[in-house]
Amino acid sequence: KAGVTQTPRYLIKTRGQQVTLSCSPISGHRSVSWYQQTPGQGLQFLFEYFSETQRNKGNFPGRFSGRQFSNSRSEMNVSTLELGDSALYLCASSWGAGQGKFVTEAFFGQGTRLTVV
Amino acid sequence: AQTVTQSQPEMSVQEAETVTLSCTYDTSENNYYLFWYKQPPSRQMILVIRQEAYKQQNATENRFSVNFQKAAKSFSLKISDSQLGDTAMYFCAFMKPLEYGNKLVFGAGTILRVKS
Repeated sequence: KAGVTQTPRYLIKTRGQQVTLSCSPISGHRSVSWYQQTPGQGLQFLFEYFSETQRNKGNFPGRFSGRQFSNSRSEMNVSTLELGDSALYLCASSWGAGQGKFVTEAFFGQGTRLTVV
Repeated sequence: AQTVTQSQPEMSVQEAETVTLSCTYDTSENNYYLFWYKQPPSRQMILVIRQEAYKQQNATENRFSVNFQKAAKSFSLKISDSQLGDTAMYFCAFMKPLEYGNKLVFGAGTILRVKS
């Protein structure tokens, strides 16, 4: 069974540009969450999608957005990039809805390392 | 809001010895889940162990076990017979189902170095 796949693995962008990161969850998983990891702020939750609907959103500016497609693949977009957006972006997929007995393990991808110059 | 605190930024242990990583959390909820994730240099986050708050029995997974103290809001991870491959960053994480879905709240992490 293939794991969570994130593309691209590495990305270098210039301030002011926009970027789109992709995440393909494990087959059958309907929940996809995104996290930003930086040395200063640690791991911070960006948002979660379940069955194409955004269920939760972290405390990030509107420049950060995402979506989920009918095949559960998800993309996140960052517009008007700032130097502080340089980070490792991790995607996690889960089978369950995270409710009641449907609390299941979150499987993580290897991340996309974004560098903004 | 839930918070997770890992008070040990770095720890080291000799191969084959036992080490305990600390984690405390703050919540007013009664039903929640706690996890320990491992992130080796490859950056791949791997689930080590999970604990349901409604279960009194401490979870164990081979060499990994937890000491879950619900009243004290403490969730420590014990690694027995440490191996070189255990060298990684370890994150404690909290999840409250229902309201927050699959959202994980992470601690700052503890770097564990296993020495030969």
